[in-house]
Amino acid sequence: GENVEQHPSTLSVQEGDSAVIKCTYSDSASNYFPWYKQELGKRPQLIIDIRSNVGEKKDQRIAVTLNKTAKHFSLHITETQPEDSAVYFCAVMEYGNKLVFGAGTILRVKS
Amino acid sequence: DTEVTQTPKHLVMGMTNKKSLKCEQHMGHRAMYWYKQKAKKPPELMFVYSYEKLSINESVPSRFSPECPNSSLLNLHLHALQPEDSALYLCASSLLAGGVTDTQYFGPGTRLTVL
Repeated sequence: GENVEQHPSTLSVQEGDSAVIKCTYSDSASNYFPWYKQELGKRPQLIIDIRSNVGEKKDQRIAVTLNKTAKHFSLHITETQPEDSAVYFCAVMEYGNKLVFGAGTILRVKS
Repeated sequence: DTEVTQTPKHLVMGMTNKKSLKCEQHMGHRAMYWYKQKAKKPPELMFVYSYEKLSINESVPSRFSPECPNSSLLNLHLHALQPEDSALYLCASSLLAGGVTDTQYFGPGTRLTVL
């Protein structure tokens, strides 16, 4: 089955700085890569996703890049704000709509 | 209605109790999922229902019994649970099913405590 590794496990940045979280996966056939944000006590919320036929996708301050050859994808958050503080999970979809998640990154934005 | 809803929000049960978790969506989604999330860990898939039929069971113990009465409703029946089953149980749904890649949207979860 799919193996997803996520780094770093914790990330502290100053407000206004950029944050980058990276994930690697093992199955070259995987073709859908979502990112979820989960605040304490809340549901995981989809913030951005990318499919294998696209190399980069942006949505305001958030972007995701995908390198299919190297089997890694990254989340980029620019101009970070305190409300960006949360746990971020990358995920990879296996056949059968099975999502396999990375271990998560705790992002702290210091004001 | 554009959300997945779950009831109850919190549940405390003894090891001999029988209880059920409920999940609903009215978005016309054809795939529904149960995930288990322990503290400080990612969600782990338990079951997938595709067109109201169980398509994936991730080797979940039989003390967890899923049911999909119709396309909008998903239940998880609990019986003879162990304290280590205490966790956040998340329901999710996606528009497309049958192995077609599609975005999954999560409900708020039920926080389960087994005493």
